[in-house]
Amino acid sequence: SYELTQPLSVSVAPGQTARITCGGNNVGSKDVHWYQQKPGQAPVLVIYKDRNRPSGIPERFSGSKSENTATLTISRAQPGDDADYYCQLWDSGTAVFGGGTKLTVL
Amino acid sequence: EVQLVESGGGLLKPGGSLRLSCAASGFTFSTYSMNWVRRAPGKGLEWVSAISSSSGHIYYAESVKGRFTISRDNAKNSLYLQINSLRAEDTAVYYCARDLGIAGTATLDYWGQGTLVTVSS
Repeated sequence: SYELTQPLSVSVAPGQTARITCGGNNVGSKDVHWYQQKPGQAPVLVIYKDRNRPSGIPERFSGSKSENTATLTISRAQPGDDADYYCQLWDSGTAVFGGGTKLTVL
Repeated sequence: EVQLVESGGGLLKPGGSLRLSCAASGFTFSTYSMNWVRRAPGKGLEWVSAISSSSGHIYYAESVKGRFTISRDNAKNSLYLQINSLRAEDTAVYYCARDLGIAGTATLDYWGQGTLVTVSS
């Protein structure tokens, strides 16, 4: 089965740039989406189809992708960005989530 | 405003069954594919199942095949998940989520707040 690999944790100072990676075999050929989940809340879609932001998501959130890695970039990180972040794609009739990355802004 | 409200969770014993429901409002339910996703304590998100708008296409994660059944009633704007032969590892918050509708992928643009299922003897 398809697997997506994310770092367990990423730390960033307020105002700096955080990058969260998502690795998978030939991920460059698939549409990758990113979700943010804060404690006790439902997940929120922050990037879809690699680099598109839903309405209401700040421009500080951006996405990019290479052949085997997708990246979520959060510019000018704020304490409110503290959350778990998940990448996700669709492969052979299955939605696959990465293991999740805990972003700490401190 | 899009709203998804799950219900039906609770404390159940191993081997038991339950049906989760998701009431949808604020959009034309019958035109969207829908999904169930769960998050076990201390773990990450796990996709469970998806159903197309007319129920013509249904998909399951390997981990739940044969025990879980997804269904929908477009007349009632409702999504369901029947879970049989409950196991401790089914303990999780279960979310229903709408699929944005981009061809060839699953993009979950709206989520409910979730319903907690606890399986314990």
